[in-house]
Amino acid sequence: NAGVTQTPKFQVLKTGQSMTLQCAQDMNHNSMYWYRQDPGMGLRLIYYSASEGTTDKGEVPNGYNVSRLNKREFSLRLESAAPSQTSVYFCASSEARSTEAFFGQGTRLTVV
Amino acid sequence: AQKITQTQPGMFVQEKEAVTLDCTYDTSDPSYGLFWYKQPSSGEMIFLIYQGSYDQQNATEGRYSLNFQKARKSANLVISASQLGDSAMYFCAMREGLRGLTGGGNKLTFGTGTQLKVEL
Repeated sequence: NAGVTQTPKFQVLKTGQSMTLQCAQDMNHNSMYWYRQDPGMGLRLIYYSASEGTTDKGEVPNGYNVSRLNKREFSLRLESAAPSQTSVYFCASSEARSTEAFFGQGTRLTVV
Repeated sequence: AQKITQTQPGMFVQEKEAVTLDCTYDTSDPSYGLFWYKQPSSGEMIFLIYQGSYDQQNATEGRYSLNFQKARKSANLVISASQLGDSAMYFCAMREGLRGLTGGGNKLTFGTGTQLKVEL
């Protein structure tokens, strides 16, 4: 019972490098989300996808792009990483009327 | 404007006592849902409880209950009989835009969290 799977779990990037964080869910959920978590800031929504084929900006979208590849997969791309993007990134999924959103284990990203 | 406000950055409670974690929210959507999550030091997000905006009764799940006051736009979490294992960060979250699954629907936003420490 995998739920939401994020890869990688840890990553160190140099300033200016690019990378893609992968997220996949096996619960047939329509909606998927990317958050970043910084100390004292809670979880801030970067982008979300209410359903396959749609994406919308959250609170902090600058510096990120997303792709909803299919119903299962929702990736987050950093085109040119900056130290300000050092954070823990969480992917989540849910159904519109479900009573729970499911989270991945998180990706700890450090940009030096 | 903040959608979800948690005004208590940190709380202390004695073991076996009850504790209330505050959460207020702001939305013009008539149909929304409210969640509470627990994040222990290990980092995973653990779902605790859910309240729908049309639910007539306050949600309860074991030692967790949600004190939902719709007119005040508050959704406080009550933990009864606190245990040492309850020490963690607690997040309140709100889902909006349930009407339709496109065009920004089903948006899920979180508060800044409350760090709870249970003491002997």
